[in-house]
Amino acid sequence: KAGVTQTPRYLIKTRGQQVTLSCSPISGHRSVSWYQQTPGQGLQFLFEYFSETQRNKGNFPGRFSGRQFSNSRSEMNVSTLELGDSALYLCASSLSRGGSYGYTFGSGTRLTVV
Amino acid sequence: AQKITQTQPGMFVQEKEAVTLDCTYDTSDQSYGLFWYKQPSSGEMIFLIYQGSYDEQNATEGRYSLNFQKARKSANLVISASQLGDSAMYFCAMKKPNNNDMRFGAGTRLTVKP
Repeated sequence: KAGVTQTPRYLIKTRGQQVTLSCSPISGHRSVSWYQQTPGQGLQFLFEYFSETQRNKGNFPGRFSGRQFSNSRSEMNVSTLELGDSALYLCASSLSRGGSYGYTFGSGTRLTVV
Repeated sequence: AQKITQTQPGMFVQEKEAVTLDCTYDTSDQSYGLFWYKQPSSGEMIFLIYQGSYDEQNATEGRYSLNFQKARKSANLVISASQLGDSAMYFCAMKKPNNNDMRFGAGTRLTVKP
């Protein structure tokens, strides 16, 4: 059974550019959530998609956006990159939104903004 | 608002011994879920164990057990018979039912000594 796949694994971008990260959840999982992990702020929730609809959004500026496709694959976009956006971006999928379903995380995309 | 506190930035344990990683939480909700994740240096977050707020028994998964003390709002992870491969960051997390906005603690770095 394939796990959560995130592409690319590593990315280097310049300030002001935009970037798109991709996440393919485990087959059958309909919920996809995104997290940003930095040494200073730890793991912070970005947003969650379920059945192609954004269900929750964390406290991030509008430069951070996402979407989910009918096959549950999700993309996350960051526009006008800032140095502080350098982080490990983790995608997690789960079967449902409630109960004991823990997330299954991908290996992450490490974004470096220079 | 939900908050997770892990007061141990780093812990050391001798191989084959047991270790307890502390986690306290703050919430006004009656229904919630508590999770522990392991993050090796590769970056991937690995789900370890889950405890529901209404579960009367402490959760166990192999060498992992969760010492749940609801009145004290603590959910400590106990790892028995530590192995070298247990060296990693460990995160305690909490979320509400039907909401995949999971809040994480700052993490504890566990080092297992041979």
